[in-house]
Order: sequence, then structure tokens, then C-alpha cells
Amino acid sequence: DVKVTQSSRYLVKRTGEKVFLECVQDMDHENMFWYRQDPGLGLRLIYFSYDVKMKEKGDIPEGYSVSREKKERFSLILESASTNQTSMYLCASSLIVVGQVLHGDNSPLHFGNGTRLTVT
Amino acid sequence: AQSVAQPEDQVNVAEGNPLTVKCTYSVSGNPYLFWYVQYPNRGLQFLLKYITGDNLVKGSYGFEAEFNKSQTSFHLKKPSALVSDSALYFCAVREGDDKIIFGKGTRLHILP
Repeated sequence: DVKVTQSSRYLVKRTGEKVFLECVQDMDHENMFWYRQDPGLGLRLIYFSYDVKMKEKGDIPEGYSVSREKKERFSLILESASTNQTSMYLCASSLIVVGQVLHGDNSPLHFGNGTRLTVT
Repeated sequence: AQSVAQPEDQVNVAEGNPLTVKCTYSVSGNPYLFWYVQYPNRGLQFLLKYITGDNLVKGSYGFEAEFNKSQTSFHLKKPSALVSDSALYFCAVREGDDKIIFGKGTRLHILP
């Protein structure tokens, strides 16, 4: 079973602090994703990565950056936290290769349990 | 651009009754469609997917979904609801590349 682990379940930070959210997956997946989840808005993609040291902007990258130095680890960084970044952050990984269709019973995205970040 | 819509914020169903959670999509090519479920304080869990083939897709926990190309819909269904089915359900669509677009979610309440 794929396991995606997010290092913190709950985090409280002050405005202006630098915040690191860590995510580790144990199935050698190439692709990793960071989403934020807000009521009424669903999941919105912040950044994703297809490989080590590669990153692509999602739909709402402003105010965030990412790091992928190792295949199993994908970090989300808030350079200067703001109150509008209070949210649930979800990390996910997948085995999908660009341009190919995934068959079989494997789940396309495997999610961690989320980090609820509060910025005060 | 691809998009997905879940027209209902909340659905209430009595235990034992059939349930339907609605999803419509918009893509320019062939859609790859997914349903995920989120239980309280947990991440999303995959339920089922439509890639190609049979329009009726069966998934986990007794759920199924029907792909309807003419109506661009992919509604989630279950013949007999359980209280434990109460959760937040997300429909998602992927077209071409790896980027998956999620709907805003529908909260399902199963009433005992």
C-alpha cells in the first residue's frame, strides 16, 4: 500500500514566518503534488513535480515555492506566511507518466492526511 | 480548458435509500474521470475511475458511477446508503496530461 506522510497534522504560525510543509512517499512515484483545500472551493493545485529538481506551477502558486531534492520528498514553502494562507494542505503522489493512461486497480493519486495550517 | 462541476453542495439521504451524487464535466477530448471520498480529518481516498470501455464503473465500498457522454456527466451512485457513507465526495477530470482538476465537493449526509 502506498503511504504518503505529511509531517504535521496541525500547525500554527505567525504572519511573516517562513513555513515548511513536508511530504514523503514510499512508493518511488515520479509525480508529487501540493493542493490546498478550502470550503466551497474544493482542491486547488499549488505546485507539482514530475521528477527530482523539477517543478511546475499549478493554479495558485503565488506566495508559495517548492523543493524536490529527493524523489520521495516534496516540500512546500511559504516564504512569508499570511493569514489568507490559513488552509488545509494536501500532498499527493502518483505513478502516472505524462501522455500515458493508467490501467489496472492502482489509484491515480495517493493523498496524505493533510496539514491544517493556521496563520495568525 | 477542462472543468468539472458538482452542482450540489450537500445531499441528504435516508439510510437504506439509493443515493446519487452529481458530476458534470467539460473537456475537448476524451475524459478520464474519477471519484474520491474524504472522511473527517483524512486525506482523499480513491473510489473509482472511468478511462474507457463500459459506461458503468464499479468501485470501492459498493459505489458505482455511470459515464454519460451525451450529457457529459459522471454521477456517483449506490443502491443502498449506509450511515458510514457520510463524507465529502469529490469528482475529478483529467485530460491529456497529468493535471487533475477537482470539483468543489459534495457533502453527503446519510440519516439514520
